[in-house]
Amino acid sequence: TQLLEQSPQFLSIQEGENLTVYCNSSSVFSSLQWYRQEPGEGPVLLVTVVTGGEVKKLKRLTFQFGDARKDSSLHITAAQPGDTGLYLCAGANNFNKFYFGSGTKLNVKP
Amino acid sequence: ETGVTQTPRHLVMGMTNKKSLKCEQHLGHNAMYWYKQSAKKPLELMFVYSLEERVENNSVPSRFSPECPNSSHLFLHLHTLQPEDSALYLCASSQWAGNTGELFFGEGSRLTVL
Repeated sequence: TQLLEQSPQFLSIQEGENLTVYCNSSSVFSSLQWYRQEPGEGPVLLVTVVTGGEVKKLKRLTFQFGDARKDSSLHITAAQPGDTGLYLCAGANNFNKFYFGSGTKLNVKP
Repeated sequence: ETGVTQTPRHLVMGMTNKKSLKCEQHLGHNAMYWYKQSAKKPLELMFVYSLEERVENNSVPSRFSPECPNSSHLFLHLHTLQPEDSALYLCASSQWAGNTGELFFGEGSRLTVL
């Protein structure tokens, strides 16, 4: 099993604040994904990063893949209550397998 | 049709029952997965089927038995479960191409074992 550690586990912030979530591993992955999960639903894909050092932006969300393809970060600018949810990172290897971090539970208060 | 559908959404069973979870994907993907999601634990990869062949059995107890009759359908047969098996069971599919793919999840089946 390839372990991914996410930090922080919980984050409660006010609307308009910025935040960063980290995903770290000692393993190298062929790609890394970020998902968001809301209560009672399955995770939904936000982004995939493939190349070491890659940065992707999705509106107020910025995703970065580490140069060594072992870690990643998710930065949210000016958080909104609609961003509330469980954020999961997942690393994929070359054999169709995806390994998940323990998640970061984000609560954005109006 | 939504991408990945799971039934039932909720299931309560006794330790001596036999039940099955069903998953269907309408995305034309070539791989399907079962994950277990428990409180305060990362999603645990249980089984992977690629082109209808099981390529992963991640030390899952034999009381969980997967079945993949074709590339669109995946089952998880349950028998003589334990209370600690209560969890959200998530099915997912992906189209694996080269060294990358992305998971598309169903909404999950919430299982409670009494």
